[in-house]
Amino acid sequence: SAVISQKPSRDICQRGTSLTIQCQVDSQVTMMFWYRQQPGQSLTLIATANQGSEATYESGFVIDKFPISRPNLTFSTLTVSNMSPEDSSIYLCSDSGPQETQYFGPGTRLLVL
Amino acid sequence: GENVEQHPSTLSVQEGDSAVIKCTYSDSASNYFPWYKQELGKGPQLIIDIRSNVGEKKDQRIAVTLNKTAKHFSLHITETQPEDSAVYFCAASGVSYGKLTFGQGTILTVHP
Repeated sequence: SAVISQKPSRDICQRGTSLTIQCQVDSQVTMMFWYRQQPGQSLTLIATANQGSEATYESGFVIDKFPISRPNLTFSTLTVSNMSPEDSSIYLCSDSGPQETQYFGPGTRLLVL
Repeated sequence: GENVEQHPSTLSVQEGDSAVIKCTYSDSASNYFPWYKQELGKGPQLIIDIRSNVGEKKDQRIAVTLNKTAKHFSLHITETQPEDSAVYFCAASGVSYGKLTFGQGTILTVHP
């Protein structure tokens, strides 16, 4: 399985600011995804990061709030824009190969004050 | 869309006992069912998965069973150890490739 790293591992941010989270995979993968895990909750898919084209967002998530880039097959970024305390969550990226098996990164723990 | 229900929300067992976590799904088109273990401060770790053409899969102390007719699948952990203590999530994927819908999670505590 590919090894996934995320930066930063955690951050504390002020409301109204934006944070960009990086996700790096050590080999080329077909698909990359971004999830949100609110405190004590399960994982919710934010969007599918498409290489070379606009991300595909799930219901309840919009590009203006969570812009995503995927410039190549090993890297993606998620920006959390104009943050509020409700955005405090763990943000996770994952990858999926031909067999649909999905592996997750270690997560970025975000606290918005 | 898909909906996955997971039970129980918490499970406490003695070391050496078995633990069973159950999930039901709503979309009969779902065909891939992974299980993840998440330890505190870490990302989810894939521990076992099963596809709809298989009824049971086993990997050492861990097994998963799938009943397509009833639309439910279960995780079985035998001879539990304290290091099995974690949050376990089931998930289902179907029509949309790679799109996982997760259950609510089960906090498993194994007492020495």
